[in-house]
Amino acid sequence: QQPVQSPQAVILREGEDAVINCSSSKALYSVHWYRQKHGEAPVFLMILLKGGEQKGHEKISASFNEKKQQSSLYLTASQLSYSGTYFCGPNAGGTSYGKLTFGQGTILTVHP
Amino acid sequence: DSGVTQTPKHLITATGQRVTLRCSPRSGDLSVYWYQQSLDQGLQFLIQYYNGEERAKGNILERFSAQQFPDLHSELNLSSLELGDSALYFCASSPGGDRAYEQYFGPGTRLTVT
Repeated sequence: QQPVQSPQAVILREGEDAVINCSSSKALYSVHWYRQKHGEAPVFLMILLKGGEQKGHEKISASFNEKKQQSSLYLTASQLSYSGTYFCGPNAGGTSYGKLTFGQGTILTVHP
Repeated sequence: DSGVTQTPKHLITATGQRVTLRCSPRSGDLSVYWYQQSLDQGLQFLIQYYNGEERAKGNILERFSAQQFPDLHSELNLSSLELGDSALYFCASSPGGDRAYEQYFGPGTRLTVT
């Protein structure tokens, strides 16, 4: 089942903050976040693992509530380069570790 | 540039036809994933291969099949094509070990079925 992301879209001015939420109906082992710019391929942002470990490339923070099966991505002091569609991909772990079921995405637009 | 290559970039074909999409993973990556992205379905996981063997399966239709070859490149075969198969097909690869979670996406193949 597809996770639910909210909001569906958000418009910011440079320097403003945003939070993108992701909820799953299944027990989670990890949550993966990707960003896709228009006309490009998705790019890995970070992974949050059960137990609190986080791994990622960029200075973007996120949280993972295992009990509530929710994750939130925090975009602070947004830059123009943050614009794009953000996808969360929860994973149940185990034999399905590679299988990511992405949400519908949250479209983030940052204006000057 | 992620290092993952996909060919062709665009493909236009008629209903009922069969096509093959090709993917070369990043050097050293053993896992290959296939995704389908359409406006109404979003980004959907199709299938994963690891070192030549099927590892995980998603919502892949029976008309679709994939394989990973000994040189680790992968092919996605789509047959009896329907209009609804028109989409962007992404291939991704990931390294092994403690970075197995990080998927690198290729530029995609845009399939148009007319």
